[in-house]
Amino acid sequence: SQTIHQWPATLVQPVGSPLSLECTVEGTSNPNLYWYRQAAGRGLQLLFYSVGIGQISSEVPQNLSASRPQDRQFILSSKKLLLSDSGFYLCAWNSRLAGMGNEQFFGPGTRLTVL
Amino acid sequence: QKEVEQNSGPLSVPEGAIASLNCTYSDRVSQSFFWYRQYSGKSPELIMSIYSNGDKEDGRFTAQLNKASQYVSLLIRDSQPSDSATYLCAVKKTSGTYKYIFGTGTRLKVLA
Repeated sequence: SQTIHQWPATLVQPVGSPLSLECTVEGTSNPNLYWYRQAAGRGLQLLFYSVGIGQISSEVPQNLSASRPQDRQFILSSKKLLLSDSGFYLCAWNSRLAGMGNEQFFGPGTRLTVL
Repeated sequence: QKEVEQNSGPLSVPEGAIASLNCTYSDRVSQSFFWYRQYSGKSPELIMSIYSNGDKEDGRFTAQLNKASQYVSLLIRDSQPSDSATYLCAVKKTSGTYKYIFGTGTRLKVLA
């Protein structure tokens, strides 16, 4: 079965510090990978998605970036965090295999607080 | 107009009743539809997917899709206090995009 991991689970960082969040998927190959952010009491905002190694599509022009160095690894980064970067960061995947449906599955999330 | 709209709630139902959650979407080419449950502080958990008009049942959950009217609903029978959560509706155009569009969710409270 497939599992998706994210770490760290929680993070408290000062304004202006760098960020690196990691997501890995097990039990599947060549998945589509996604980063979302959910601000307190708000909906899911798509930040980035990737259909393959090194292929990143950005949905929101901000001080965040994403990379996919390996097939099942997706990393979210920032050089300098802003207060507005606080939120619940969710990694998700869906299968690209024909006949597997379009269901998207989420990791456990990272709660980021920027002080 | 939002692409996916849900009433934010809270929707309060007594234990054992049927909870009805609704979602409308604006893009007629949407082909895939999903319901997620999200407990406070946790990540969304997929409950059901539906791709064709009509009803799809899974245990106490029934998803209903009406593409002509552009709405999708989720019925929860025999609601339990453990069903209290926020329910997110999501849609995806099958071709030409990899993106999922989420509603802001409906908060459900099941009263014991």
